[in-house]
Formats: sequence, structure tokens, C-alpha cells
Amino acid sequence: DAGVIQSPRHEVTEMGQEVTLRCKPISGHNSLFWYRQTMMRGLELLIYFNNNVPIDDSGMPEDRFSAKMPNASFSTLKIQPSEPRDSAVYFCASRPGQGAGGYTFGSGTRLTVV
Amino acid sequence: DQQVKQNSPSLSVQEGRISILNCDYTNSMFDYFLWYKKYPAEGPTFLISISSIKDKNEDGRFTVFLNKSAKHLSLHIVPSQPGDSAVYFCAATGANSGYALNFGKGTSLLVTP
Repeated sequence: DAGVIQSPRHEVTEMGQEVTLRCKPISGHNSLFWYRQTMMRGLELLIYFNNNVPIDDSGMPEDRFSAKMPNASFSTLKIQPSEPRDSAVYFCASRPGQGAGGYTFGSGTRLTVV
Repeated sequence: DQQVKQNSPSLSVQEGRISILNCDYTNSMFDYFLWYKKYPAEGPTFLISISSIKDKNEDGRFTVFLNKSAKHLSLHIVPSQPGDSAVYFCAATGANSGYALNFGKGTSLLVTP
């Protein structure tokens, strides 16, 4: 298994541009999570899906952020318009069931907004 | 509001000695706790976990201790090795949050030869 695959690995964009981050979870995993890592706040949960349905998006910082999971093998996190304070590493994770174990994280997307 | 706190941003330990990483939590509904290890440019990887029905869990050189009354857990690494140098994240979760992980800010451990 290739694990959780995120793309791109690095993204540099100008303020005001739209940014789309992509995630392919592990096949058979039912839950998918988007996290953001910053120095100030550490790893914070943005949103998660169970069986492709968004369950909790209370961590999404603003309306500029949106996430979709159109099918079990793909999810996107979009920022429109992007701002310099969105610069962070964004991680996607998936897990097989709805319990606490089995999380697998992707390698992350490092986003820089200039 | 940070529900999981790791108050030591960094820790330096000599090879062969014990490393102790600490974590506090505020939400009494948390009933499962995990430690993750993270190397630069990689995602966090699972290290060890403990359920609230236990107060200790051991896996090789790694032991996690849980003190529910104090809402405190710690990770002990004995003996520490240079390859243990990484950022360690404490995470807590519970059924009422769908077992989504709540992370601390991490502690950067440096093990020197």
C-alpha cells in the first residue's frame, strides 16, 4: 500500500490566488481528516469525513476554506482567496474505522502564500 | 482553545539516558491517548497509545503513563538513542468527538551522542 498520498508536496502562491490541496486516502479507510500545522498552534484539526460525509468542520478557520470528498478515494482542501497567514503544512490522514486507532498521515503539503 | 498541552517545546538528552516527555489535557471526556513521532518533511507516525482504563502501557523502549486524576500523561524513552531525535506529539480523543485526534503543539527531542 502506498499510504496516504498528498499533492503537491510544496505550493508557493501569491496572495489572493486559489489553492487546491489534494489527498488520496488508503483504500478501505472510511474516515479522512485534514490537519494544519503551524508553529503557533501546532497540529489543528480542520475537518473530517466519515464515509465521504463531512462530520465536523468547526476547525475550518474561515469561509475562505472549503473541503470536499466526492468519493472514497479522493479529497480536496481549497483556499480561496489565499492569504499569507494561511502559510503552513497541511496534512491529510485516514483511518480504517471510526475508533481511535489506525490513523495514517500523508507527508503533507507545505503551503507558502506570498 | 488548546485542549492538549505540551509545555516543553524542546528537550535535550544524552544517548543512553531516559527521555521524559509530558502532556496535559483539559477535556475529561477524552478516553484514549496517543503519542506520535514526526521527522522533518514527513507526516506524524504512530508510536504508542493508552486507554483511560489503564495507567501504563509499554512497548519496548517506550512507556506511556496516564494519571487521569491529574489529567496528565508522559512518555518515557529508555534508553534514548540518537535516532529518537524528532518532534513528539501528544494526542487525545474520545467518543464524543468521533475519535478525531486533538494534538498538542509538540516537543522537539534531541538525543546527543
